[in-house]
Amino acid sequence: QVQLQESGPGLVKPSETLSLTCTVSGGFIDSYYWSWIRQPPGKGLEWIGYIYYSGNTNYNPSLGSRVTISVDTSKKHFSLRLTSVTAADTAVYYCARDCGTSCPLGMDVWGQGTTVTVSS
Amino acid sequence: EIVLTQSPGTLSLSPGERATLSCRASQSVRSSYLAWYQQKPGQAPRLLIYGASSRATGIPDRFSGSGSGTDFTLTISRLEPEDFAVYHCQQYGTSPVTFGQGTRLEIK
Repeated sequence: QVQLQESGPGLVKPSETLSLTCTVSGGFIDSYYWSWIRQPPGKGLEWIGYIYYSGNTNYNPSLGSRVTISVDTSKKHFSLRLTSVTAADTAVYYCARDCGTSCPLGMDVWGQGTTVTVSS
Repeated sequence: EIVLTQSPGTLSLSPGERATLSCRASQSVRSSYLAWYQQKPGQAPRLLIYGASSRATGIPDRFSGSGSGTDFTLTISRLEPEDFAVYHCQQYGTSPVTFGQGTRLEIK
């Protein structure tokens, strides 16, 4: 079955750029949306944005222009870049397979999550 | 954006009892695109219910979802020990996708 695995640095300095990658295995990256979600310590879930396999994106306005999600279908992975990070960006970051806002299926496959701490 | 408010914040019940969790939206959820997720400590969320009332693959039938518009409910008919966890609702019919703050279901 489809599995997702996040990877990237666990520690990022304030004002720098957070970069994470999610690798898709056991299934296709085509024909799906792929989301990033984060969860600050002890708090709820926040949707960051998604990308369609074709490259179309949709971001949470709360993150403004700091976020970019990209996809590489040949490598079966998609990536998150978050610029100018602060301590408020410290969270567990999850990737998930999504269905978009015109499909009823929800986020049915999740990665295990990776903890990113913003600190000098 | 659509704000989802879950209640109660914490629910204390015993195994075998019935659990009823509520999720109220600040505006109508388009096409009932409302999902419920279960999250255990140190784990990723797991999809339980999508489209307000459809069970995801492999989810036991003691889990059921209902509701439309702005009021949604997750019901667990008879609690098993493994059901004690945090439950999140999510709307995905209108961008941005939003989640509720979660309901913690704890053993009484």
